[in-house]
Amino acid sequence: DQQVKQNSPSLSVQEGRISILNCDYTNSMFDYFLWYKKYPAEGPTFLISISSIKDKNEDGRFTVFLNKSAKHLSLHIVPSQPGDSAVYFCAASAGKTGANNLFFGTGTRLTVIP
Amino acid sequence: GAGVSQTPSNKVTEKGKYVELRCDPISGHTALYWYRQSLGQGPEFLIYFQGTGAADDSGLPNDRFFAVRPEGSVSTLKIQRTERGDSAVYLCASSPSGAGANVLTFGAGSRLTVL
Repeated sequence: DQQVKQNSPSLSVQEGRISILNCDYTNSMFDYFLWYKKYPAEGPTFLISISSIKDKNEDGRFTVFLNKSAKHLSLHIVPSQPGDSAVYFCAASAGKTGANNLFFGTGTRLTVIP
Repeated sequence: GAGVSQTPSNKVTEKGKYVELRCDPISGHTALYWYRQSLGQGPEFLIYFQGTGAADDSGLPNDRFFAVRPEGSVSTLKIQRTERGDSAVYLCASSPSGAGANVLTFGAGSRLTVL
């Protein structure tokens, strides 16, 4: 049973516009959420995270929004750049932030068109 | 080393064979993790080492899978009697002292194909 879901396998956005990647989760015990970015032939790299005590976290062009009541989070990238083209994974954990209890979504492939 | 190194990058084997996958973490990182990413899925946790000991092996799917880290650095994931369903990318990650998931460094992975 997939506890973290990314229902859009792919997304295409024009350079300079906003990219919005969505993630839903089912486990109400999750209290820490992360986004990872993955380029081909490389491992995932950490991008941004948010604790359940917040509803927004911003880092430069990247902002993550958390809606606990809807069990939904989203990653906004603005403005989008061609170098942002990658697969983005949403991940969640419950009770601790160690990586031995991370649950990942299936990923969304973002393509930013120059 | 500069990053997490995994070898081989690609491995093709026949059903029933034994396979070893190696991970060389970042120097000084005491925590080491193995994840598995099957086609069309996100990474799934397999096992976590803190130093030489397996602190959490709850993600190993069955007793055909085993991992060691005898000197607290390099780790080897061992798969016995491989099955076609074992085909996946096996990712290794390390972090300092089992710190948060936001400081994980992943390797590029070992792609295993079982024919």
